[in-house]
Amino acid sequence: QKEVEQNSGPLSVPEGAIASLNCTYSDRVSQSFFWYRQYSGKSPELIMSIYSNGDKEDGRFTAQLNKASQYVSLLIRDSQPSDSATYLCAVIAGNNRKLIWGLGTSLAVNP
Amino acid sequence: GAGVSQSPSNKVTEKGKDVELRCDPISGHTALYWYRQRLGQGLEFLIYFQGNSAPDKSGLPSDRFSAERTGESVSTLTIQRTQQEDSAVYLCASSLLGLAGPPYNEQFFGPGTRLTVL
Repeated sequence: QKEVEQNSGPLSVPEGAIASLNCTYSDRVSQSFFWYRQYSGKSPELIMSIYSNGDKEDGRFTAQLNKASQYVSLLIRDSQPSDSATYLCAVIAGNNRKLIWGLGTSLAVNP
Repeated sequence: GAGVSQSPSNKVTEKGKDVELRCDPISGHTALYWYRQRLGQGLEFLIYFQGNSAPDKSGLPSDRFSAERTGESVSTLTIQRTQQEDSAVYLCASSLLGLAGPPYNEQFFGPGTRLTVL
């Protein structure tokens, strides 16, 4: 089992819809979780961090964490074509020695 | 304020040459991280510095790779005797505190150095 797993996609949604991106992780004691956006040819850009169970909202973005199920998700409301990118989930290992990355989900928002 | 900067932005070298990649973190950030991303691949964690010490060097791919950091400032990643498989984008990130310091362990990335080994 990979340490951090994401569906590679592509996930295709129409403009204005909600995009739902999912991530599962294997280390039960992980405490820090991040979502990054990466446009083609660019470096990753932090969207959200989440540390506690439940939801965290920032503008059109909502991160959801369920530590019991070892699951973290990102919802993008009112999706825009400019949201088209690869979304990376990252989890700090329980021993706090490294940040483990998923391979990313490619999102396409169609006008 | 200024973000993470990296230099050079592009580096083309011949197989067998040594290269040095530089990273300047955000001012005040105590932790600094190096990653490698091959074309179309995911991010590969290489090493992280807390201050000028590296708690875990196990991510470095081989003994041809080394990194150092001066205080809580600039870091240099050195690749000796480069090979074609070293071709990738090398990304640097920094965070206010280290990995064990939520919620101040958010990492912010520089633009990367694209290394091409011919």
